[in-house]
Amino acid sequence: DAMVIQNPRYQVTQFGKPVTLSCSQTLNHNVMYWYQQKSSQAPKLLFHYYDKDFNNEADTPDNFQSRRPNTSFCFLDIRSPGLGDAAMYLCATSRDLGTGVYEQYFGPGTRLTVT
Amino acid sequence: KQEVTQIPAALSVPEGENLVLNCSFTDSAIYNLQWFRQDPGKGLTSLLLIQSSQREQTSGRLNASLDKSSGRSTLYIAASQPGDSATYLCAVPNNNDMRFGAGTRLTVKP
Repeated sequence: DAMVIQNPRYQVTQFGKPVTLSCSQTLNHNVMYWYQQKSSQAPKLLFHYYDKDFNNEADTPDNFQSRRPNTSFCFLDIRSPGLGDAAMYLCATSRDLGTGVYEQYFGPGTRLTVT
Repeated sequence: KQEVTQIPAALSVPEGENLVLNCSFTDSAIYNLQWFRQDPGKGLTSLLLIQSSQREQTSGRLNASLDKSSGRSTLYIAASQPGDSATYLCAVPNNNDMRFGAGTRLTVKP
């Protein structure tokens, strides 16, 4: 089945130790997103790729970076995790059909714990 | 800037009841609205997508309606079951991303 896959599902890292979260998709969608979701809050967009074009949200900290080496894969790098970065990280994809209609498909998320 | 609000924040009902979840948005110039379900500690599962030209969409016991002019959408769940217990989020596109409401946490008691 076509899907969005995130690895790992659970990640524990130490304060200040770089960590990378992975997302892959078999949907061949041209848009990929990374969201941060804290407990009982709405998902907050960190950035997205439209094809190879990187779009950073204005309030995304510099500590968060992303890479998209090809259509299928996208990575979230947290250079120096702080305790406040503990959250669920959600990857999503969508296809731009040129109609303005975006239907998003989400992965299962990676739960990040910072000790 | 698009703002999305969901009321109520939490809802508890006995099994078998029909219920309505509400979603409102500030900018009515939307192309579509999407309803998601999120189980604790899990990702988001898409339930229904309503395009701006549509009034409603149905999937099984779920029916979502859209009134663009008033900036509102409702998700109707018929004959609720304990397995429906989850958080339900609505989202609308805002340029190339989606704006989410904070969700309604639904509990269906056996």
